[in-house]
Amino acid sequence: AQTVTQSQPEMSVQEAETVTLSCTYDTSESNYYLFWYKQPPSRQMILVIRQEAYKQQNATENRFSVNFQKAAKSFSLKISDSQLGDTAMYFCASRGDSGYALNFGKGTSLLVTP
Amino acid sequence: GAVVSQHPSWVICKSGTSVKIECRSLDFQATTMFWYRQFPKQSLMLMATSNEGSKATYEQGVEKDKFLINHASLTLSTLTVTSAHPEDSSFYICSATGGTEAFFGQGTRLTVV
Repeated sequence: AQTVTQSQPEMSVQEAETVTLSCTYDTSESNYYLFWYKQPPSRQMILVIRQEAYKQQNATENRFSVNFQKAAKSFSLKISDSQLGDTAMYFCASRGDSGYALNFGKGTSLLVTP
Repeated sequence: GAVVSQHPSWVICKSGTSVKIECRSLDFQATTMFWYRQFPKQSLMLMATSNEGSKATYEQGVEKDKFLINHASLTLSTLTVTSAHPEDSSFYICSATGGTEAFFGQGTRLTVV
């Protein structure tokens, strides 16, 4: 079984600043994948970043990076140089190695202000 | 990334009627498709997993006779909400995979009146 916990329902950051969204998870799988998805008001799910658990190096995609702490089962998302278009719900998710269905956290609503 | 198209994007139906939602993979063959449900300000909850040519596997608590899923081809899965009631009003999202990652459709907002 897999669970994903996001403890920050809402966050706010000023444009150009940096913000970190928290996520912890629990899994019985030996290999697994972790994701951050963005859901803007259009409600289209957009993959932000992906991390394979067997890789020690933290994933990075432009202004988005993760801090993957495997022993602590922590997977936080850092957004640098925040932009107004980053305003959205952010979901942390996991899946095991044997399937592609995702387990989602409850989400964090991020507001980027001018 | 690959494209998954979901139709309709929104639908309003009368209580007691059935509604069909389509999920198509446009540029890849989707061996597996997933259906999620999302209530306002809540997360996505997996309803069922469907493999092409097989019966869908439903998550605990999801009524298979109410939410009929058909995955008859490698590019199309449908979700039919039968005898819809106001409590079925929600946002339904599909995702599809061809063996790499799963890609999401745009979602369907269902309102039952």
